Amino acid sequence: GESVGLHLPTLSVQEGDNSIINCAYSNSASDYFIWYKQESGKGPQFIIDIRSNMDKRQGQRVTVLLNKTVKHLSLQIAATQPGDSAVYFCAENLGTGNQFYFGTGTSLTVIP
Amino acid sequence: EPEVTQTPSHQVTQMGQEVILRCVPISNHLYFYWYRQILGQKVEFLVSFYNNEISEKSEIFDDQFSVERPDGSNFTLKIRSTKLEDSAMYFCASSGSGNTEAFFGQGTRLTVV
Repeated sequence: GESVGLHLPTLSVQEGDNSIINCAYSNSASDYFIWYKQESGKGPQFIIDIRSNMDKRQGQRVTVLLNKTVKHLSLQIAATQPGDSAVYFCAENLGTGNQFYFGTGTSLTVIP
Repeated sequence: EPEVTQTPSHQVTQMGQEVILRCVPISNHLYFYWYRQILGQKVEFLVSFYNNEISEKSEIFDDQFSVERPDGSNFTLKIRSTKLEDSAMYFCASSGSGNTEAFFGQGTRLTVV
């Protein structure tokens, strides 16, 4: 199967600091990526997406960067808040269908 | 805000029994999905459904599984002859079109005993 992996399984940051969550993917044909946030006991919640014809996309307090050369994706969260504590998944679409391949997730803990 | 709803939130079943997990996708969405997440592991794709038929399925989605859209609002996952290893969170998702973000429900926790 395809490989979508995360560099760090856990990340702890101080409230107010910026967070960076990384993701590596293996298939250069992937053309669409999504970051999902999953809080305990809930389903994945869409945060932000990016297509392969872009290298950066910004949302509210979040920025996704895509480096196709090294097949790397990152999620930056500005001014991290306690409510940002969750598991973050990157998900990859190969462009040949509708299914997404999810990474193993990074657990973000925000320290007040 | 429209959302995907799933019932039940928790289902306990005996090994060998059949279960049906139910989902109501977002009303104007056309693509429907089931994903599974074994405790502590990543979310895994099971199946996608479009235009009243399966459009893609993974290796996990074998003959034990089936999906149905019995009416204009429900989307179900049936698991026949459940096994212990079927215990997981099952997420339903829907999207307005293919290759766009999918919106997930809260999940059904299936426990096979």
